[in-house]
Amino acid sequence: TQLLEQSPQFLSIQEGENLTVYCNSSSVFSSLQWYRQEPGEGPVLLVTVVTGGEVKKLKRLTFQFGDARKDSSLHITAAQPGDTGLYLCAGYYAEKLVFGKGTKLTVNP
Amino acid sequence: DTAVSQTPKYLVTQMGNDKSIKCEQNLGHDTMYWYKQDSKKFLKIMFSYNNKELIINETVPNRFSPKSPDKAHLNLHINSLELGDSAVYFCASSQVPGKLFFGSGTQLSVL
Repeated sequence: TQLLEQSPQFLSIQEGENLTVYCNSSSVFSSLQWYRQEPGEGPVLLVTVVTGGEVKKLKRLTFQFGDARKDSSLHITAAQPGDTGLYLCAGYYAEKLVFGKGTKLTVNP
Repeated sequence: DTAVSQTPKYLVTQMGNDKSIKCEQNLGHDTMYWYKQDSKKFLKIMFSYNNKELIINETVPNRFSPKSPDKAHLNLHINSLELGDSAVYFCASSQVPGKLFFGSGTQLSVL
């Protein structure tokens, strides 16, 4: 059983469109992280959300932590080809960082 | 300067061989990790070391043996390689739980 479920698994959109990626769990997390991974590279941390209901913005990316601290979402406004990559949510559980299976985003010019 | 560097980037070897992957971090972090990413991109923790001490050892075959000579280095030695060991192996370090800095990965192909 996957601790963190991400959806969708794959997403292919046109430049300029908006999109939302979801990360859900039945467990409560003290914080959730979002990472982005490009081909041939390791994941890079984008943001950490800590407080239930928290919203954080990073340019065109908006991250939200659910009120119950069991889920999170990543919304991208006006996606650009440079946003293409694998987006991973992660949570600290039992003294280790566990990852969702990721959402592979492709933004076509 | 690369924060977390691992070598080699690519490793192609025959079944049954023994190989090592090296990792070094220059961030001064206390904790280092090895993660395995399978062909479906699922990233799973293998080991975690804090100040050279093993603190997490997931259900990894004992053919995999991590070694941390000092807190800036965490190497991974794999004995008797099997086809199923083919994956990308990532080294990472952190000072704050959840905030990991990853290396660029070692793509291991076992033939």
